[in-house]
Amino acid sequence: GQQVMQIPQYQHVQEGEDFTTYCNSSTTLSNIQWYKQRPGGHPVFLIQLVKSGEVKKQKRLTFQFGEAKKNSSLHITATQTTDVGTYFCAGPGSSNTGKLIFGQGTTLQVKP
Amino acid sequence: EAGVAQSPRYKIIEKRQSVAFWCNPISGHATLYWYQQILGQGPKLLIQFQNNGVVDDSQLPKDRFSAERLKGVDSTLKIQPAKLEDSAVYLCASSLDRGLAAEQYFGPGTRLTVT
Repeated sequence: GQQVMQIPQYQHVQEGEDFTTYCNSSTTLSNIQWYKQRPGGHPVFLIQLVKSGEVKKQKRLTFQFGEAKKNSSLHITATQTTDVGTYFCAGPGSSNTGKLIFGQGTTLQVKP
Repeated sequence: EAGVAQSPRYKIIEKRQSVAFWCNPISGHATLYWYQQILGQGPKLLIQFQNNGVVDDSQLPKDRFSAERLKGVDSTLKIQPAKLEDSAVYLCASSLDRGLAAEQYFGPGTRLTVT
């Protein structure tokens, strides 16, 4: 079945270092969404990418959607302790019902 | 705007017992989702409602799990009987519509421990 995979599973960085997580889908996606889940919290929507090759920025966060619309990345510049959490990418399921298939997430730890 | 409400926040039961979770979505959101999130994994969709109709329940273990959204607003998810592997966080989410671009808003979740 359709799969969404993320790497790495865990990343430990020193505060101020950059961080990148990569997302790959087994199928072409019409769009991709990114969510952040703080420790003990629930997923919170960050952004959606729709166009091939699209790049969007939110302050220190840069999101990219691949040209083939099968991969995406999230890059954080100069991490801060507030960036700690698990970042999930999610793509729509093949049934076109609005269902999302989530990756397993990348957990970011930031050492002050 | 009030967020998605869920209760209880925590539940501990023994295997073979039954349990029910409640969710109240954001007012006006037609689509409601129940997800299961096992520790260290991403959320997995169990069931999706559009108003009071089921859109997708392909990954719901129907021999033990059931869900309803009778009036198209709040929803309950039930497990009967529970197994050890049902230990997880059960997340409810809602969206304004079920389109492919629909942002989903998650509730705080119910952490279930089955002993």
